[in-house]
Amino acid sequence: DIVMTQSPLSLPVTPGEPASISCRSSQSLLNSNGYNYLDWYLQKSGQSPQLLIYLGSNRASGVPDRFSGSGSGTDFTLEISRVEAEDVGVYFCIQTLHTPFTFGPGTKVDIK
Amino acid sequence: QVQLVQSGAEVKKPGASVKVSCKASGYTFTTYAIHWVRQAPGQRLEWMGRINAANGNTRYSHKFQDRVSFTRDTSASTAYMELSSLRSEDTAIFFCARNNLEGAGYYMDVWGRGTTVTVSS
Repeated sequence: DIVMTQSPLSLPVTPGEPASISCRSSQSLLNSNGYNYLDWYLQKSGQSPQLLIYLGSNRASGVPDRFSGSGSGTDFTLEISRVEAEDVGVYFCIQTLHTPFTFGPGTKVDIK
Repeated sequence: QVQLVQSGAEVKKPGASVKVSCKASGYTFTTYAIHWVRQAPGQRLEWMGRINAANGNTRYSHKFQDRVSFTRDTSASTAYMELSSLRSEDTAIFFCARNNLEGAGYYMDVWGRGTTVTVSS
């Protein structure tokens, strides 16, 4: 199985400041079709996960443009340009190139 | 609006089975696959597998494939997940989520609210 790691696991943030989360995979997630099969989700407290970024760098519908995804192969980054209070929660990456799909451990983002 | 409505919480004894439903509305059921994801306390999210709502084809995670079954009823726009031989470690929230069958990727853009399954003697 592909192993996903994230860092940091905990990220205290200041509203208005940028934030960055790293996700790494044990194998390349770059498909022959040119897409990286890496998605990002945010799970707010007591809620279901919500899609933020798909195929490495595509923002999902309705996701604010302060969120961006980048990277290729085995190294990926989720960036929040200016954190807002509503962005707190746990951020997960997931690889969907090979079954079983596997999630990262999650990064808990909260306000300092 | 597009939504996935899951069945209510369940309490089961070890060794029993549980069947969770996921009713879709607001979109054409057969143009999407339904994934099932488990979230156990203190554990990372686990992908259990998916079912193609159009043709019923399934793909299971090897971790669950011996005791999980996905089915769907297209007339009711509903997908089902049945997990057998329950043990205490199966105590978790089970989510269903959809992904579009067209285009690249298996990203899950709409999720159900989750069904809590508690396994206890």
